[in-house]
Amino acid sequence: DARVTQTPRHKVTEMGQEVTMRCQPILGHNTVFWYRQTMMQGLELLAYFRNRAPLDDSGMPKDRFSAEMPDATLATLKIQPSEPRDSAVYFCASGLTLGQGDNQPQHFGDGTRLSIL
Amino acid sequence: DQQVKQNSPSLSVQEGRISILNCDYTNSMFDYFLWYKKYPAEGPTFLISISSIKDKNEDGRFTVFLNKSAKHLSLHIVPSQPGDSAVYFCAASGVYNFNKFYFGSGTKLNVKP
Repeated sequence: DARVTQTPRHKVTEMGQEVTMRCQPILGHNTVFWYRQTMMQGLELLAYFRNRAPLDDSGMPKDRFSAEMPDATLATLKIQPSEPRDSAVYFCASGLTLGQGDNQPQHFGDGTRLSIL
Repeated sequence: DQQVKQNSPSLSVQEGRISILNCDYTNSMFDYFLWYKKYPAEGPTFLISISSIKDKNEDGRFTVFLNKSAKHLSLHIVPSQPGDSAVYFCAASGVYNFNKFYFGSGTKLNVKP
């Protein structure tokens, strides 16, 4: 079974440090999503890409977060500088959509559990 | 502003009985709805979906019902099994975007043996 791969699975670092989370979407998928799971908000969409182009990053704190897709096999989410309130589980998901309104299930990775001390 | 809401944070059901998980949405432009199941330390996995042209979709023990006039959907699990114990998320998407889903906050289901 094809899977979305996220690295690292766990990350503990001190406040102020740069954090980079990586995601390898399922081969052939053309949409990639970054979510953050918190106790209060459930699954919160941070950013998403279609054909490597960013479509929406309005859910992301712009001053410290950045999301990129250097190529079709890699998506990155960076936090610089990190803060304790960024502690959460970050999920990447990928999907295949042929156009606007063509909705298909997204497939999730197992997440990166981030702790900022 | 949460467009998809799951008002029950948890649900406990006896093995063999029916589990009913509920979800409400506010955006009338949503036309595709899904349920995901999530075990601890794993990512959500897709369970079942329904398009707005239908009011019911069934897959084995899982059935999703959609009531468009009430902007409400529910997931029925019959019979419930201990392995169904997980967090269930509902999600919704509309025709105007590329597969962007809005998720509820989840309901933790506990199926007791």
